[in-house]
Amino acid sequence: QVQLQESGPGLVKPSQTLSLTCTVSGGSISSSNFYWTWIRQHPGKGLEWIGYIHYSGSTYYNPSLRSRVSISVDTSKNQFSLKLSSVTAADTAVYYCARDSEAAGNVDSWGQGTLVTISS
Amino acid sequence: QSALTQPPSASESPGQSVTISCTGTSSDVGAYNYVSWYQQHPGKAPKLLIYEVTKRPSGVPDRFSGSKSGNTASLTVSGVLAEDEADYYCSSYGGSSTFWVFGGGTKLTVL
Repeated sequence: QVQLQESGPGLVKPSQTLSLTCTVSGGSISSSNFYWTWIRQHPGKGLEWIGYIHYSGSTYYNPSLRSRVSISVDTSKNQFSLKLSSVTAADTAVYYCARDSEAAGNVDSWGQGTLVTISS
Repeated sequence: QSALTQPPSASESPGQSVTISCTGTSSDVGAYNYVSWYQQHPGKAPKLLIYEVTKRPSGVPDRFSGSKSGNTASLTVSGVLAEDEADYYCSSYGGSSTFWVFGGGTKLTVL
């Protein structure tokens, strides 16, 4: 049973870069079937797909965030990471890392989520 | 505003059936058979219930079923249980420029 765990600062200042890492255990991040995904949820609101990465390095981003987001993978550590630049209060959210099988919206494994607050 | 439209709330008595709708466009729900449904209890991560419109992951009770007609997808919960009280979200593939979009969520109350 694969498990995912987010880590990173819970508080980021406006205009700075939000950085989160997701550690995958119980399975290899290098499996060809999977796309490693970031999804966020604003407080009391719905879900928003941020983007995903394949272990080969191919990335796909939400067009509304594309200019500020970068997702990378470190296969040696079985981790993938999210960077979101020039953050504002509107980026305050719970950030989830997850696994999408076959990039078919089959997001079958999720981390517990981590709240990131943007505030000075 | 979410890309897919869901009713904000739904309610039903235990043992009854309830259907939650998810309306998109001919560019997402209507164009692809990549609609998923997720259940989220308060303070928890979402859980996949349905993918590719009708498929159920192993471990998901067959009380949960999905369907699609035109630009609208639906999740039906048959024989609602108290534990089904949660928020439900749909998502759809929207093509190679949009990728994945979600609905705003439906809060299901079990009366």
